[in-house]
Amino acid sequence: NAGVMQNPRHLVRRRGQEARLRCSPMKGHSHVYWYRQLPEEGLKFMVYLQKENIIDESGMPKERFSAEFPKEGPSILRIQQVVRGDSAAYFCASSPRRGARTEAFFGQGTRLTVV
Amino acid sequence: SQKIEQNSEALNIQEGKTATLTCNYTNYSPAYLQWYRQDPGRGPVFLLLIRENEKEKRKERLKVTFDTTLKQSLFHITASQPADSATYLCALEGTEYGNKLVFGAGTILRVKS
Repeated sequence: NAGVMQNPRHLVRRRGQEARLRCSPMKGHSHVYWYRQLPEEGLKFMVYLQKENIIDESGMPKERFSAEFPKEGPSILRIQQVVRGDSAAYFCASSPRRGARTEAFFGQGTRLTVV
Repeated sequence: SQKIEQNSEALNIQEGKTATLTCNYTNYSPAYLQWYRQDPGRGPVFLLLIRENEKEKRKERLKVTFDTTLKQSLFHITASQPADSATYLCALEGTEYGNKLVFGAGTILRVKS
């Protein structure tokens, strides 16, 4: 059973371009979380999705950011018109059940650099 | 407001000693609390989960306690080794909408030989 797969591992975008980050959860997991981490800082919650539904997007900026988890295929975090402040590591985690009642499995992250 | 607080300063200890890390929370009522380890450049890895009705949980050299009255969890590593050096994160449910999983900022542990 492959772990959580995130790609790309590293992504460089110029200011104003779009960034698309992909996350394939573990097989059988229907809950996906996206987090953002700046150097020397903790994981900041962005969005929690269950298959085809956004459950909680309270940590996601209202503009330029969107997330989806379609019935088929990976979860996508999309950042439009990127700015330098979007540079960070973005981690995805998946879980078979909601909340903290079971462990979450993390991918290796996508490191986004905006130049 | 809701907070999850972990020691912001790094914890430096000698090999063989017990490391104790603290996680305090405010304005949460978690039924579950988790601990993760994160190494530089990598994603967090799950270590232990403890339920609100469990006072203590052990796994090999790891021990977690959960005091819902004090709103605190303690994470212990006994007989610490240099390989235990990493950042340790606590996580619990944010209960406003659908039980999202939220993390503290983490504590850096350095074990010196």
